[in-house]
Amino acid sequence: EPEVTQTPSHQVTQMGQEVILRCVPISNHLYFYWYRQILGQKVEFLVSFYNNEISEKSEIFDDQFSVERPDGSNFTLKIRSTKLEDSAMYFCASSPGLAGADEQFFGPGTRLTVL
Amino acid sequence: GDSVTQMEGPVTLSEEAFLTINCTYTATGYPSLFWYVQYPGEGLQLLLKATKADDKGSNKGFEATYRKETTSFHLEKGSVQVSDSAVYFCAAGSSASKIIFGSGTRLSIRP
Repeated sequence: EPEVTQTPSHQVTQMGQEVILRCVPISNHLYFYWYRQILGQKVEFLVSFYNNEISEKSEIFDDQFSVERPDGSNFTLKIRSTKLEDSAMYFCASSPGLAGADEQFFGPGTRLTVL
Repeated sequence: GDSVTQMEGPVTLSEEAFLTINCTYTATGYPSLFWYVQYPGEGLQLLLKATKADDKGSNKGFEATYRKETTSFHLEKGSVQVSDSAVYFCAAGSSASKIIFGSGTRLSIRP
Protein backbone atom coordinates (compact mmCIF):
# COMPACT_ATOMS: atom_id res chain seq x y z
CA GLU A 1 0.00 0.00 0.00
CA PRO A 2 1.44 3.42 -0.91
CA GLU A 3 2.57 5.54 2.01
CA VAL A 4 4.10 8.89 2.82
CA THR A 5 7.74 8.67 3.82
CA GLN A 6 9.83 11.18 5.73
CA THR A 7 13.54 11.59 6.33
CA PRO A 8 15.32 11.81 8.64
CA SER A 9 13.38 10.21 11.45
CA HIS A 10 15.29 12.29 14.00
CA GLN A 11 17.24 15.51 13.44
CA VAL A 12 19.31 17.22 16.11
CA THR A 13 20.55 20.72 15.39
CA GLN A 14 22.02 23.75 17.11
CA MET A 15 19.94 26.87 17.58
CA GLY A 16 20.36 29.22 14.62
CA GLN A 17 21.16 26.47 12.15
CA GLU A 18 19.13 25.74 9.03
CA VAL A 19 17.34 22.41 8.71
CA ILE A 20 15.55 20.77 5.81
CA LEU A 21 12.98 18.11 6.49
CA ARG A 22 12.15 15.85 3.59
CA CYS A 23 8.98 14.08 2.57
CA VAL A 24 7.93 11.88 -0.30
CA PRO A 25 4.13 12.11 -0.65
CA ILE A 26 2.01 9.39 -2.22
CA SER A 27 2.68 9.54 -5.93
CA ASN A 28 -0.72 10.44 -7.39
CA HIS A 29 -1.67 12.90 -4.66
CA LEU A 30 -2.08 16.56 -5.49
CA TYR A 31 -2.14 18.30 -2.10
CA PHE A 32 0.70 18.36 0.39
CA TYR A 33 0.85 19.55 3.97
CA TRP A 34 3.12 20.06 6.92
CA TYR A 35 1.96 19.83 10.53
CA ARG A 36 3.84 19.90 13.77
CA GLN A 37 3.25 18.43 17.21
CA ILE A 38 5.12 19.85 20.15
CA LEU A 39 5.65 17.09 22.71
CA GLY A 40 2.43 16.32 24.56
CA GLN A 41 0.39 18.87 22.64
CA LYS A 42 -2.05 18.82 19.78
CA VAL A 43 -1.17 18.50 16.12
CA GLU A 44 -1.02 21.96 14.50
CA PHE A 45 -1.34 22.86 10.83
CA LEU A 46 1.58 24.72 9.30
CA VAL A 47 1.07 24.93 5.55
CA SER A 48 -0.67 23.41 2.55
CA PHE A 49 0.72 23.27 -0.96
CA TYR A 50 -0.96 22.72 -4.30
CA ASN A 51 0.03 23.26 -7.89
CA ASN A 52 3.50 24.39 -6.87
CA GLU A 53 2.41 27.12 -4.53
CA ILE A 54 1.30 27.63 -0.96
CA SER A 55 -2.49 27.49 -0.74
CA GLU A 56 -2.81 28.19 2.97
CA LYS A 57 -0.53 28.80 5.93
CA SER A 58 -0.96 29.29 9.64
CA GLU A 59 0.42 32.07 11.80
CA ILE A 60 3.11 29.65 12.95
CA PHE A 61 4.48 29.53 9.39
CA ASP A 62 6.45 32.77 9.47
CA ASP A 63 9.36 33.98 7.35
CA GLN A 64 11.67 31.42 8.93
CA PHE A 65 9.77 28.63 7.22
CA SER A 66 9.58 27.73 3.55
CA VAL A 67 8.38 24.80 1.50
CA GLU A 68 9.43 23.50 -1.84
CA ARG A 69 8.69 20.73 -4.27
CA PRO A 70 12.08 20.57 -5.96
CA ASP A 71 11.22 17.66 -8.22
CA GLY A 72 8.29 15.40 -9.00
CA SER A 73 8.51 13.41 -5.82
CA ASN A 74 9.97 15.32 -2.88
CA PHE A 75 8.32 17.94 -0.69
CA THR A 76 10.55 19.79 1.75
CA LEU A 77 10.16 22.04 4.77
CA LYS A 78 13.04 24.38 5.50
CA ILE A 79 13.55 26.23 8.74
CA ARG A 80 16.14 28.94 8.13
CA SER A 81 17.34 29.71 11.63
CA THR A 82 16.04 27.24 14.17
CA LYS A 83 14.87 28.29 17.63
CA LEU A 84 14.51 26.17 20.74
CA GLU A 85 10.73 26.35 20.40
CA ASP A 86 10.92 24.72 16.94
CA SER A 87 11.63 21.41 18.71
CA ALA A 88 8.70 19.21 17.75
CA MET A 89 7.58 16.27 15.66
CA TYR A 90 6.95 17.43 12.10
CA PHE A 91 4.47 15.46 10.04
CA CYS A 92 4.10 15.59 6.30
CA ALA A 93 0.77 14.61 4.77
CA SER A 94 -0.70 14.27 1.32
CA SER A 95 -4.18 14.05 -0.09
CA PRO A 96 -5.61 13.10 -3.46
CA GLY A 97 -7.85 16.15 -3.27
CA LEU A 98 -10.79 14.35 -4.82
CA ALA A 99 -14.36 14.94 -3.75
CA GLY A 100 -15.31 12.36 -1.13
CA ALA A 101 -11.68 11.31 -0.67
CA ASP A 102 -10.29 14.19 1.30
CA GLU A 103 -8.57 12.35 4.10
CA GLN A 104 -4.93 13.15 4.51
CA PHE A 105 -2.32 10.45 4.74
CA PHE A 106 0.42 11.16 7.22
CA GLY A 107 4.04 10.18 7.23
CA PRO A 108 5.77 8.76 10.32
CA GLY A 109 7.19 12.16 11.27
CA THR A 110 10.59 13.72 11.82
CA ARG A 111 11.51 14.53 15.40
CA LEU A 112 13.42 17.81 15.40
CA THR A 113 15.46 18.63 18.49
CA VAL A 114 16.98 22.11 18.69
CA LEU A 115 19.75 22.49 21.28
CA GLY B 1 -12.71 29.76 13.32
CA ASP B 2 -13.19 26.01 13.06
CA SER B 3 -12.37 23.97 16.13
CA VAL B 4 -12.57 20.46 17.53
CA THR B 5 -13.09 19.68 21.20
CA GLN B 6 -12.61 16.21 22.57
CA MET B 7 -12.77 14.52 25.89
CA GLU B 8 -9.81 15.19 28.16
CA GLY B 9 -7.69 12.22 29.04
CA PRO B 10 -6.13 10.12 30.14
CA VAL B 11 -8.74 7.39 29.99
CA THR B 12 -7.91 4.10 31.66
CA LEU B 13 -10.13 1.06 31.13
CA SER B 14 -9.97 -2.65 31.75
CA GLU B 15 -9.76 -5.04 28.81
CA GLU B 16 -13.17 -5.79 27.26
CA ALA B 17 -14.71 -2.61 28.66
CA PHE B 18 -16.88 -0.30 26.54
CA LEU B 19 -15.17 2.82 25.24
CA THR B 20 -16.58 6.21 24.40
CA ILE B 21 -14.45 9.24 23.59
CA ASN B 22 -16.54 12.33 23.04
CA CYS B 23 -15.84 14.80 20.25
CA THR B 24 -17.67 17.90 19.12
CA TYR B 25 -16.81 20.35 16.38
CA THR B 26 -17.59 23.85 15.22
CA ALA B 27 -17.19 24.59 11.55
CA THR B 28 -18.53 26.66 8.74
CA GLY B 29 -20.08 24.40 6.18
CA TYR B 30 -20.03 20.63 6.42
CA PRO B 31 -16.58 19.25 7.08
CA SER B 32 -15.50 15.66 6.84
CA LEU B 33 -14.79 14.19 10.26
CA PHE B 34 -11.97 11.86 11.17
CA TRP B 35 -10.51 9.87 14.01
CA TYR B 36 -6.75 9.43 13.87
CA VAL B 37 -4.78 7.16 16.18
CA GLN B 38 -1.18 7.56 17.30
CA TYR B 39 0.45 4.47 18.79
CA PRO B 40 3.47 4.99 21.05
CA GLY B 41 6.45 6.23 19.08
CA GLU B 42 4.59 6.24 15.79
CA GLY B 43 2.91 8.71 13.46
CA LEU B 44 -0.74 9.43 12.81
CA GLN B 45 -2.91 6.75 11.26
CA LEU B 46 -6.40 7.31 9.98
CA LEU B 47 -8.73 5.13 12.02
CA LEU B 48 -12.06 6.04 10.44
CA LYS B 49 -13.89 8.85 8.72
CA ALA B 50 -17.34 10.14 7.81
CA THR B 51 -18.01 12.66 5.08
CA LYS B 52 -21.62 13.67 5.62
CA ALA B 53 -24.39 13.78 8.20
CA ASP B 54 -25.56 10.39 9.53
CA ASP B 55 -22.60 8.59 7.95
CA LYS B 56 -21.04 6.00 10.24
CA GLY B 57 -17.33 5.36 9.96
CA SER B 58 -16.01 2.06 11.26
CA ASN B 59 -12.72 0.20 11.45
CA LYS B 60 -11.13 -2.40 13.76
CA GLY B 61 -14.27 -2.53 15.92
CA PHE B 62 -14.32 1.25 16.40
CA GLU B 63 -17.18 3.33 15.08
CA ALA B 64 -18.35 6.92 15.05
CA THR B 65 -21.46 8.57 13.59
CA TYR B 66 -21.54 12.06 12.10
CA ARG B 67 -24.29 13.86 14.01
CA LYS B 68 -25.03 17.22 12.44
CA GLU B 69 -27.74 18.11 14.95
CA THR B 70 -25.36 17.80 17.89
CA THR B 71 -22.17 18.58 15.90
CA SER B 72 -20.62 15.47 17.36
CA PHE B 73 -18.53 12.52 16.24
CA HIS B 74 -18.08 10.35 19.31
CA LEU B 75 -15.77 7.35 19.07
CA GLU B 76 -17.02 4.03 20.46
CA LYS B 77 -15.82 0.49 20.77
CA GLY B 78 -17.73 -2.32 22.42
CA SER B 79 -14.80 -4.27 23.84
CA VAL B 80 -11.35 -2.72 24.04
CA GLN B 81 -8.08 -4.62 23.95
CA VAL B 82 -4.66 -3.85 25.42
CA SER B 83 -3.45 -3.22 21.87
CA ASP B 84 -5.88 -0.29 21.61
CA SER B 85 -3.74 1.72 24.01
CA ALA B 86 -2.81 4.86 22.09
CA VAL B 87 -3.65 8.54 21.70
CA TYR B 88 -6.82 9.22 19.73
CA PHE B 89 -7.35 12.47 17.85
CA CYS B 90 -10.68 13.71 16.57
CA ALA B 91 -10.32 15.95 13.54
CA ALA B 92 -12.31 17.94 11.01
CA GLY B 93 -11.44 19.07 7.54
CA SER B 94 -12.90 20.18 4.25
CA SER B 95 -11.84 19.06 0.83
CA ALA B 96 -8.14 19.70 0.28
CA SER B 97 -8.03 22.10 3.21
CA LYS B 98 -6.17 21.88 6.48
CA ILE B 99 -7.29 19.41 9.11
CA ILE B 100 -8.10 20.78 12.54
CA PHE B 101 -7.22 18.38 15.32
CA GLY B 102 -8.58 18.05 18.80
CA SER B 103 -6.16 17.92 21.69
CA GLY B 104 -6.01 14.13 21.75
CA THR B 105 -7.16 11.59 24.32
CA ARG B 106 -4.67 9.14 25.74
CA LEU B 107 -6.24 5.71 26.23
CA SER B 108 -4.66 3.04 28.41
CA ILE B 109 -6.12 -0.45 28.63
CA ARG B 110 -5.29 -2.67 31.63
CA PRO B 111 -5.06 -6.42 31.03
